[in-house]
Amino acid sequence: QVQLQESGPGLMKPSQTLSLTCTVSGASFSGGGYYWVWIRQHPGKGLEWIGNNYNGGSTYYNPSLKSRVTISIDTSKNQFSLTLSSVTAADTAVYYCARDIWGGVDVWGQGITVTVSS
Amino acid sequence: QTVVTQEPSLSVSPGGTVTLTCGFTSGSVSTANYPSWCQQTPGQAPRTLIYSTNTRASGVPDRFSGSISGNKAALTITGAQADDESDYYCVLYMNNGISFGGGTKLTVL
Repeated sequence: QVQLQESGPGLMKPSQTLSLTCTVSGASFSGGGYYWVWIRQHPGKGLEWIGNNYNGGSTYYNPSLKSRVTISIDTSKNQFSLTLSSVTAADTAVYYCARDIWGGVDVWGQGITVTVSS
Repeated sequence: QTVVTQEPSLSVSPGGTVTLTCGFTSGSVSTANYPSWCQQTPGQAPRTLIYSTNTRASGVPDRFSGSISGNKAALTITGAQADDESDYYCVLYMNNGISFGGGTKLTVL
């Protein structure tokens, strides 16, 4: 059974760089054919796609976040990560990592709450 | 980024049928957008119900079905149950990425 688990800081200060990690168990990146995705949800709001990495190759980012976002894969640790620079209060959200088959997310992480506050 | 539209809220009676839709502010949704639907209850991670227009995820009851209806994707719940009361999000796939709809809050009453 494939499982994803997010980890990282729960509290950030404005202007800092957020780094979140998603640890993958029950699967590896070598299998191919999957998009490794980050999604967030602001308090009381809907889901927002941040971006995805296709097997360590192509990356696609939400245009509204593109200048601040990097999604990368570390195959040696079976992890993928999200880096978001220059955070503000508007980046306060629950962040989900997920595996997508391009046509639907087949595995969701449980989510991690990140608060940005001075 | 193209805006994806959903009904903000809908209600259905227990045992009834309801259809949620997912469209673009301009243009048509097609199977080439691989529409997907997920369900979320408060405090929980989303759960995918439908892949690529009409494929049910493992363990999803067959009262949930997906389709293309006119120029929109649709999720139909037939024989609604109390625990179907949730937020539902459609997801559309495009050349430049993925877009979520704003979500539909479904009430079963």
